[in-house]
Amino acid sequence: EPEVTQTPSHQVTQMGQEVILRCVPISNHLYFYWYRQILGQKVEFLVSFYNNEISEKSEIFDDQFSVERPDGSNFTLKIRSTKLEDSAMYFCASSGEYEQYFGPGTRLTVT
Amino acid sequence: GESVGLHLPTLSVQEGDNSIINCAYSNSASDYFIWYKQESGKGPQFIIDIRSNMDKRQGQRVTVLLNKTVKHLSLQIAATQPGDSAVYFCAENSNQAGTALIFGKGTTLSVSS
Repeated sequence: EPEVTQTPSHQVTQMGQEVILRCVPISNHLYFYWYRQILGQKVEFLVSFYNNEISEKSEIFDDQFSVERPDGSNFTLKIRSTKLEDSAMYFCASSGEYEQYFGPGTRLTVT
Repeated sequence: GESVGLHLPTLSVQEGDNSIINCAYSNSASDYFIWYKQESGKGPQFIIDIRSNMDKRQGQRVTVLLNKTVKHLSLQIAATQPGDSAVYFCAENSNQAGTALIFGKGTTLSVSS
């Protein structure tokens, strides 16, 4: 069964450093998403992406965040200058239309 | 305030019992509702969805009920098994492709054998 994959599974970085989280969505899906989940809290939407551009973003997704689809298979989330409060699980998701399927997540720890 | 929420943070049941997990939503414009299961250290796993033109939908051992009058959503799990132990989230959006899911806080289901 096709699934969303994410790398790395765990990323530790120092405050102020740039990180890139990577995702490979399900191959025939057209919509891609990033969500985050701070430990013990609910999942929060960050951004959606369609046809090589951002279609929707939340107030969390400020100028420090960017997304890119550098090739036909990868979808990345970049955080330019990480802050302590960026520590969270980051989930990539993809959908054909409505059903969003989530990857296993990347645990980002900012020290 | 949040658009979607759950009534109980935890639910403990015995193996073989039926489980009912509830969710209340506040956005009347929501057209699409989904239940996700999240096991420890994993991403949300799609269980079942329902659109606002329906009030009930059944899957394998799961049933979702939607009451638009009182803005209430529930997930029923029949013959609950230890493998059903997880955090369950309801989520909603406007039933347009590519739009954000708004998640509730989650109910932790614990199944004892």
